[in-house]
Amino acid sequence: NAGVTQTPKFQVLKTGQSMTLQCAQDMNHNSMYWYRQDPGMGLRLIYYSASEGTTDKGEVPNGYNVSRLNKREFSLRLESAAPSQTSVYFCASNVGREISYEQYFGPGTRLTVT
Amino acid sequence: AQSVAQPEDQVNVAEGNPLTVKCTYSVSGNPYLFWYVQYPNRGLQFLLKYITGDNLVKGSYGFEAEFNKSQTSFHLKKPSALVSDSALYFCAVRGYTGGFKTIFGAGTRLFVKA
Repeated sequence: NAGVTQTPKFQVLKTGQSMTLQCAQDMNHNSMYWYRQDPGMGLRLIYYSASEGTTDKGEVPNGYNVSRLNKREFSLRLESAAPSQTSVYFCASNVGREISYEQYFGPGTRLTVT
Repeated sequence: AQSVAQPEDQVNVAEGNPLTVKCTYSVSGNPYLFWYVQYPNRGLQFLLKYITGDNLVKGSYGFEAEFNKSQTSFHLKKPSALVSDSALYFCAVRGYTGGFKTIFGAGTRLFVKA
């Protein structure tokens, strides 16, 4: 099993450009998540998908959109990138909605917006 | 509202000595607590969790954590540190606020010196 995979690993954008971060998991998990990691702030939830066909906003959704393409794939789109979106982005998944489930993380995408 | 605090940005310990990484939490209802580890340029990896039962939870790589309800703490411990334990450690609490969400602490960097 590859687990959770993310593409690209690195990306540099100019202010105003758009891009889509891709995430896929092969563990047959129902729930998927997008986080951003900034120094000293831990991980903050951007959007999540509790199950295929549903998406919900997290703590910091502004400037982002998501698509749960199917059970395996959950993409994050930046429509008009801003320097404040410079961060490391992690995708995660877990089995389902139960409160006891731990999350599995991808390797991350390091995004720089100039 | 749920929250997690990791009061130490960094912990330094000599190899072979015991280590403790501190975490306190605030949550309404029963706490569901997790520890994750992040090695450089990698995603987070699950270490252990407390859901219910024994206050001492054992996890991966020889780590354990002690749940203390009266002090609302969930400190991560290891009896004998290894240089390879050097990494960034995150405490997290999972709760239900209109949907199951995980809140992460800001992280504690552990340095183990040979």
